[in-house]
Amino acid sequence: DTGVSQDPRHKITKRGQNVTFRCDPISEHNRLYWYRQTLGQGPEFLTYFQNEAQLEKSRLLSDRFSAERPKGSFSTLEIQRTEQGDSAMYLCASSSIRVGNTEAFFGQGTRLTVV
Amino acid sequence: AQTVTQSQPEMSVQEAETVTLSCTYDTSESDYYLFWYKQPPSRQMILVIRQEAYKQQNATENRFSVNFQKAAKSFSLKISDSQLGDAAMYFCASDFTGNQFYFGTGTSLTVIP
Repeated sequence: DTGVSQDPRHKITKRGQNVTFRCDPISEHNRLYWYRQTLGQGPEFLTYFQNEAQLEKSRLLSDRFSAERPKGSFSTLEIQRTEQGDSAMYLCASSSIRVGNTEAFFGQGTRLTVV
Repeated sequence: AQTVTQSQPEMSVQEAETVTLSCTYDTSESDYYLFWYKQPPSRQMILVIRQEAYKQQNATENRFSVNFQKAAKSFSLKISDSQLGDAAMYFCASDFTGNQFYFGTGTSLTVIP
């Protein structure tokens, strides 16, 4: 297992377009998280899954954002009708609760630029 | 409310010297983990060190150690014998509620040769 994988690494889109990002977590991890990070800031929580269930969503997550994790494996994050304020690094992380609370392992992120 | 605060936006250290990065937090939870993550420029975030809140003994990982003061809700990171490769953003984080990881705003560490 090579760790958490995110695709694409970079995405440039025009305002108003829809974009979808993919995250492949570490295979034995049952928790998956999406975070957003803007320049000079810490990661900001968006949502998390335990297996295929989406258990929590940030109140900051507008209706234009949707995330799925079918079959409890990979996850997708879709942003509809993108706005310039959506430009950020989108980070995916995974962790396991089977051995108690442990650290999150992060992917390299998808950098979104909305022009 | 669960919060993590890093009050040092930037720090610098001479190569081979020691530097301490500060972190304070606020939570009503009693059982949680605290973490320091390192994010090099344009690279992914990696775990530096982890501390379990119910353990009084401070965690140590090679040149990295923490000073955990639970009553004061303080969790600082000490880097000894600083190396050029230590230059990065450092984030303090915790999983207070077990549902998400809360991050501070980060400290940018520069290592001066």
